[in-house]
Amino acid sequence: KQEVTQIPAALSVPEGENLVLNCSFTDSAIYNLQWFRQDPGKGLTSLLLIQSSQREQTSGRLNASLDKSSGRSTLYIAASQPGDSATYLCAVRADSSYKLIFGSGTRLLVRP
Amino acid sequence: SQTIHQWPATLVQPVGSPLSLECTVEGTSNPNLYWYRQAAGRGLQLLFYSVGIGQISSEVPQNLSASRPQDRQFILSSKKLLLSDSGFYLCAWSVRGELFFGEGSRLTVL
Repeated sequence: KQEVTQIPAALSVPEGENLVLNCSFTDSAIYNLQWFRQDPGKGLTSLLLIQSSQREQTSGRLNASLDKSSGRSTLYIAASQPGDSATYLCAVRADSSYKLIFGSGTRLLVRP
Repeated sequence: SQTIHQWPATLVQPVGSPLSLECTVEGTSNPNLYWYRQAAGRGLQLLFYSVGIGQISSEVPQNLSASRPQDRQFILSSKKLLLSDSGFYLCAWSVRGELFFGEGSRLTVL
């Protein structure tokens, strides 16, 4: 059974810092991995999608990497800003499955 | 571009009352559709998914049901709400493996 873990559960950093959020999964047979952002009381916004054949994806100040063999993905946020404050979730899709398994998220606070 | 609409945004219902949450997707055809629930401290739980009209798969046995009467319409229902049905309900769609969410519906059962 696939399990997804995100560490740390919460993170507080000063503005301008580069930071890394971690996501680990127990079954390396994944179809893809997706990172989301959720603001309080809102739906999830898709940030990056990494296919199983890819090693990383980049969008602006965000870079996500995938290492299937070790069951890990990282989301790198460069030059963090207060507007980056949100909960970040990762989710994996197993092979031949319509289901995504979500981690419990990392709550990020970027202090001005 | 594709958009997803979900309503109502907020709902307060008494125990035992019925429920209907609706979701529509625009700008795409034959999407996979999903209902998730996010309860405080419990993360995202997949409730139902659908790969086509009238095709519904249930992930968690409960007093909720889902229907897909049209290609881009997905409805979450209950005949009698329980206190434990309170939560944040999210509709989502996917095409080519990427998942997109609506803004969510906050349900409080009193």
